Amino acid sequence: NAGVTQTPKFQVLKTGQSMTLQCAQDMNHEYMSWYRQDPGMGLRLIHYSVGAGITDQGEVPNGYNVSRSTTEDFPLRLLSAAPSQTSVYFCASSLRRQTSNQPQHFGDGTRLSIL
Amino acid sequence: KQEVTQIPAALSVPEGENLVLNCSFTDSAIYNLQWFRQDPGKGLTSLLLIQSSQREQTSGRLNASLDKSSGRSTLYIAASQPGDSATYLCADRSGGNKLVFGAGTILRVKS
Repeated sequence: NAGVTQTPKFQVLKTGQSMTLQCAQDMNHEYMSWYRQDPGMGLRLIHYSVGAGITDQGEVPNGYNVSRSTTEDFPLRLLSAAPSQTSVYFCASSLRRQTSNQPQHFGDGTRLSIL
Repeated sequence: KQEVTQIPAALSVPEGENLVLNCSFTDSAIYNLQWFRQDPGKGLTSLLLIQSSQREQTSGRLNASLDKSSGRSTLYIAASQPGDSATYLCADRSGGNKLVFGAGTILRVKS
């Protein structure tokens, strides 16, 4: 049981480049989300999805795009990388879409540096 | 807007000590709360989830409590071990699956 899998684990980009962070889960979870974690701060929600074909913005969505074409995959796209997007990115999933009584499962993160 | 504060930011204790980590909320109308552990270079592992109908949850040497009237939660770790060294995060689950996190407490247990 792989759980939540994120790739790549590390990435270095130059300002202005674009890239896609991959996230996949094999637990048939409805809900998936992306967070970023910066030093001295809690994780902040970027985008989330309550099911295939449905996405919405979180607290800090600017500069990022998402899509959810399948239940399993939820990629995060950086359109034009900026140094302020240097961070650790976590993907999370939960079984049901609108519930707060089930634990969320997190991937191991992608460490992204923008030069 | 809910803000979550964790105190202390870092804590170093000798092995065997009992310890308490604190989490407070600006909006005390909190519904559910979840505690996580994060090891260096790793993702978050769920420790305990306290639902609105509960005041506390226990798992092994861990006990988490939630006091809605004061907007506070505590994570109690009994008989600490070096393997407990990690960052501990609390998160407000009142927004369902949209979690609001504290910045975490970095715990070091010395052998």
